[in-house]
Amino acid sequence: DAGVIQSPRHEVTEMGQEVTLRCKPISGHDYLFWYRQTMMRGLELLIYFNNNVPIDDSGMPEDRFSAKMPNASFSTLKIQPSEPRDSAVYFCASSFTSGSEYFGPGTRLTVT
Amino acid sequence: ILNVEQSPQSLHVQEGDSTNFTCSFPSSNFYALHWYRWETAKSPEALFVMTLNGDEKKKGRISATLNTKEGYSYLYIKGSQPEDSATYLCAPFQGGSEKLVFGKGTKLTVNP
Repeated sequence: DAGVIQSPRHEVTEMGQEVTLRCKPISGHDYLFWYRQTMMRGLELLIYFNNNVPIDDSGMPEDRFSAKMPNASFSTLKIQPSEPRDSAVYFCASSFTSGSEYFGPGTRLTVT
Repeated sequence: ILNVEQSPQSLHVQEGDSTNFTCSFPSSNFYALHWYRWETAKSPEALFVMTLNGDEKKKGRISATLNTKEGYSYLYIKGSQPEDSATYLCAPFQGGSEKLVFGKGTKLTVNP
């Protein structure tokens, strides 16, 4: 398996623009997690899905953030409108029923 | 919110030194403890999953112990090498939960 795939790897956008981050989990994994890495908070869980259903989105910073998982092999994290403080590395991870999480390479987002 | 503390926050050692650091977590409702290794500009990688009190896991020069009654785990690195430089994250998993809660990590720098 290719592991967790994320795209794009780098995204530079202007404030106010919509940003969509994509993730393909490892095949067969039933959990998918979106994290954000910041200097202040370290690795911060934004939202996670089980069998494509969002379970806990309490970590989503505000209504500008939304995530979907239309099927078992694809998830998106959308920020609309984006702001400079959203600049961070966003990781997607997947796991099989409470096992170790396998992280994707991350998307480095810069909002100017 | 699960309180996970790792100490020290950062550590500088010389090549060949042995070192260790701590992860403390609530002992109530414990299910498992995960350790991850996170190299700069890469994504976190799972090192160990530990579940039993007194458990000890080893991977090359890295080992970890677990005390579930008092809520702590130690990670040891014997004969540190520059390639061990990374941030080491611990993440407890509580019974009934579906997500890991990551500590802020210990950043290890091994100087040649």
